[in-house]
Amino acid sequence: EVQLVESGGVVVQPGGSLRLSCGASGFTFGDYTMHWVRQAPGKGLEWVSLITWDGVNTDYADSAKGRFTISRDNSKNSLYLQMNSLRTEDTALYYCAKDGLYWDWGQGTLVTVSS
Amino acid sequence: EVVLTQSPGTLSLSPGDRATLSCRASQSVSNTYLAWYQQKPGQAPRLLIYAASSRATGIPDRFSGSGSGTDFTLTISRLEPEDFAVYYCQQYGYSPYTFGQGTKLELK
Repeated sequence: EVQLVESGGVVVQPGGSLRLSCGASGFTFGDYTMHWVRQAPGKGLEWVSLITWDGVNTDYADSAKGRFTISRDNSKNSLYLQMNSLRTEDTALYYCAKDGLYWDWGQGTLVTVSS
Repeated sequence: EVVLTQSPGTLSLSPGDRATLSCRASQSVSNTYLAWYQQKPGQAPRLLIYAASSRATGIPDRFSGSGSGTDFTLTISRLEPEDFAVYYCQQYGYSPYTFGQGTKLELK
């Protein structure tokens, strides 16, 4: 069974930085493209970023470009999202998701950007 | 960017009713990469349908998906009390991957 467990969400001040992690199990992590998706309180779902299986290719939503960096460590079955220059509008529940014919999702970790 | 527009925004129905939810894309989307999710408060999205019409594991057969090109539909044939939730469509064929804004299915 695919399991994805996000962590690292905290309260951070505007302009601050944060690194989210996602631990994966139940599948061969190094074979799959992975994603981050977020959901602001009371709002819809927004795709944030992806990284290919080998870490070579990445892609970002416009809202994340230049501020967020996705990375992975296949030896640790882990996905990361480094978030810099955080804004209040980055406040959201952040999900990691496994790519494929359909996506498998974690339960999310809450990031709150507030002074 | 592929914009997905869901309608209606809110659907008020009763248990036993049939629900029809629409998802319209701003450009043609491959059937292979169109999914539907259900989300309840405080929970992660739950996959219902992938590849436009394939039910995910454990999803009751009252849920069905159809459509192609730019028009997709999620149908719930006979609503159960646990079906009242928010539903999202998603396309994951073209980056940036996008979601519809959601349809809230509420109790009438």
